[in-house]
Amino acid sequence: QVQLVESGGGLVKPGGSLRLSCAASGFTFSDYYMSWIRQAPGKGLEWVSYISSSGSTIYYADSVKGRFTISRDNAKNSLYLQMNSLRAEDTAVYYCARDLTTTVTHDYWGQGTLVTVSS
Amino acid sequence: QSALTQPASVSGSPGQSITISCTGTSSDVGGYNYVSWYQQHPGKAPKLMIYEVSNRPSGVSNRFSGSKSGNTASLTISGLQAEDEADYYCSSYTSSSTPWVFGTGTKVTVL
Repeated sequence: QVQLVESGGGLVKPGGSLRLSCAASGFTFSDYYMSWIRQAPGKGLEWVSYISSSGSTIYYADSVKGRFTISRDNAKNSLYLQMNSLRAEDTAVYYCARDLTTTVTHDYWGQGTLVTVSS
Repeated sequence: QSALTQPASVSGSPGQSITISCTGTSSDVGGYNYVSWYQQHPGKAPKLMIYEVSNRPSGVSNRFSGSKSGNTASLTISGLQAEDEADYYCSSYTSSSTPWVFGTGTKVTVL
């Protein structure tokens, strides 16, 4: 069965950096686009970034552009999100999700990892 | 890109039907048949319930149905059950600078 397991979250000071990972299993990872989606405490969902199956196409939300970098290692079935210059408003649970390009939807989600940006 | 507009809360009694609206623009909901709906229980990850406006993934109850008219999509839950109590989010493909936009979310309460 499809499994997505995020890790790497934690407490970081404003201006700091953090790298999130998402380990995928149960499907051919290299065939799928992947996204990062976040949810601030008590708030709604916000799409953050996606990467194509080969890694050649990448998009970011305006709120993170220039600060976050998405990447993947298909040999390790892993997705990453490098987060730099973190701000208090980046505090959220970060989910990785599998994307279906044919139906333009996120069909499987991980359980999320909490990132807290605070001094 | 502004979030799609959903009612903050909707409630119903067991067995009843409820409908959640999701209003966008011609650049997202109205322009494409790529509307999805997600269910999220407290502390859990979102679960895909509807994709491409009205299609259900395998394993999702047929009590859940989706539709669209103009710039507004809707999710209907028929035969409301206690387990349906959760937050629901719509999402749409958009022609703006970012490919996806989510709705503001709706809390469904089973009375």
